[in-house]
Amino acid sequence: QLQLQESGPGLVKPSETLSLTCSVSGGSISSNSYYWGWIRQPPGKGLEWIGNIYYSGSTYNNPSLKSRVTISMDTSKNQYSLKVKSVTAADTALYYCATFRAAGGATIDYWGQGALVTVSS
Amino acid sequence: DIQMTQSPSSVSASVGDTVTITCRASQGLSSRLAWYQQKPGKAPKLLIYGASSLQSGVPSRFSGTGSWTDFTLTISSLQPEDFATYYCQQASSFPLTFGGGTKVEIK
Repeated sequence: QLQLQESGPGLVKPSETLSLTCSVSGGSISSNSYYWGWIRQPPGKGLEWIGNIYYSGSTYNNPSLKSRVTISMDTSKNQYSLKVKSVTAADTALYYCATFRAAGGATIDYWGQGALVTVSS
Repeated sequence: DIQMTQSPSSVSASVGDTVTITCRASQGLSSRLAWYQQKPGKAPKLLIYGASSLQSGVPSRFSGTGSWTDFTLTISSLQPEDFATYYCQQASSFPLTFGGGTKVEIK
C-alpha cells in the first residue's frame, strides 16, 4: 500500500517559486508501474492536473501552466518534487501528490493528504 | 486537450434515492475514464476505473457505464456517507483533465 506525503512552505510570495516535495513509502519511485505526479485544487474549486514524471525521468506537464513547472525525482530519498516559478495569487491551492497508473489509462490510485500553498505578500 | 463536461453540477437527493451523473468527453477515450469521490477536507478517492470497473473496497451500489465520449456514474440506494462531490477524469492522454464536479447534497 503506497503512502504519499507532501511537504513544503505553506506561504509563498508573488513572483517567487513554489517548491513541494512528495515522500513515498510502501513502494519505490523507480517502479515502472506508476507515473508520479501532482494535482492542485484552488479553494472551493475543481481539480487540475499539473504534471507527471516517470521512473525514466520523462516528464509530462500541463500546457496551461506554460513552462513554469518543473518536476524532478530523487530515487535515493524515494521522493519527487514540484517547482512552480513566478507564482501569482492564482496559484493558491491545495496541492496533492499522487500516483497514476502507467498502463491501461492514467488512473489515480493513491493521493497524498494535500498541502495548502497560499501565494501572498 | 480533451474537455470533460460533467453534469449536473449539483443534485439534491434523499437517502435511498438513485443518483446519475454524466460525463461527456470532447474526444473519444475508449474506456479510459475514472470516477472519484471527494469529501470535504479529504483527498479524492478512486471509485471506478476503465469506465466500469469497481475499485477494490468500493460498495457495489456504485456503478459506471459508457464508452468513447459518453459516460455515467450511478449511485443506487444513496447512503448518508455518499453525500460528497464526484469528479470524472479522462485517463486517455496528456494533458489529463477532469470534469467540473458534481456535488451530491442532502434534500
